[in-house]
Amino acid sequence: GDSVTQMEGPVTLSEEAFLTINCTYTATGYPSLFWYVQYPGEGLQLLLKATKADDKGSNKGFEATYRKETTSFHLEKGSVQVSDSAVYFCALSGLKGAQKLVFGQGTRLTINP
Amino acid sequence: KAGVTQTPRYLIKTRGQQVTLSCSPISGHRSVSWYQQTPGQGLQFLFEYFSETQRNKGNFPGRFSGRQFSNSRSEMNVSTLELGDSALYLCASRDDRSYEQYFGPGTRLTVT
Repeated sequence: GDSVTQMEGPVTLSEEAFLTINCTYTATGYPSLFWYVQYPGEGLQLLLKATKADDKGSNKGFEATYRKETTSFHLEKGSVQVSDSAVYFCALSGLKGAQKLVFGQGTRLTINP
Repeated sequence: KAGVTQTPRYLIKTRGQQVTLSCSPISGHRSVSWYQQTPGQGLQFLFEYFSETQRNKGNFPGRFSGRQFSNSRSEMNVSTLELGDSALYLCASRDDRSYEQYFGPGTRLTVT
């Protein structure tokens, strides 16, 4: 079945450092890919998405590119802030229009001032 | 536009009891899905509803059930609670044009 694998955390960085959180997936067909962020005590917020190969999703300085050849969707940010501290989830939906999301295990990110 | 709301936010139940959780989607959204989040298993899909019909179901026992009403509000029910049912239960509603899903804050269920 479909699956998502994220780099294990926790990840701790200093403010203004460069961030990469790796995400790879296994799916049949052409899934849509997502990054969600969860702040303490809250639900999930959609951070960015990409629906086809070579698409780049971006939001709030975060970017991720849908790489079909490597089945990857790595999250990057050039200069992180303390407010970026949260848990990040990579996810896919396997069929166009399908509502079911398959999530990675999550990566806890802590940014120190 | 108001976001997805879930009630109650926190719940404590005893083993063997049953519980009903409620989710109100964003106005205009007809699709609702439910997820269970635990430290050990992560985020797992429970079921999804569209216009009162269950379209997909995850790999959970029959103790977990749900329904959707004509106003798109959804409820999920867990009967004969077990300790392992302690989790954060998240509801999401979907924009049918963009397929983007918006999550509520969750209901934290503790079974003692």
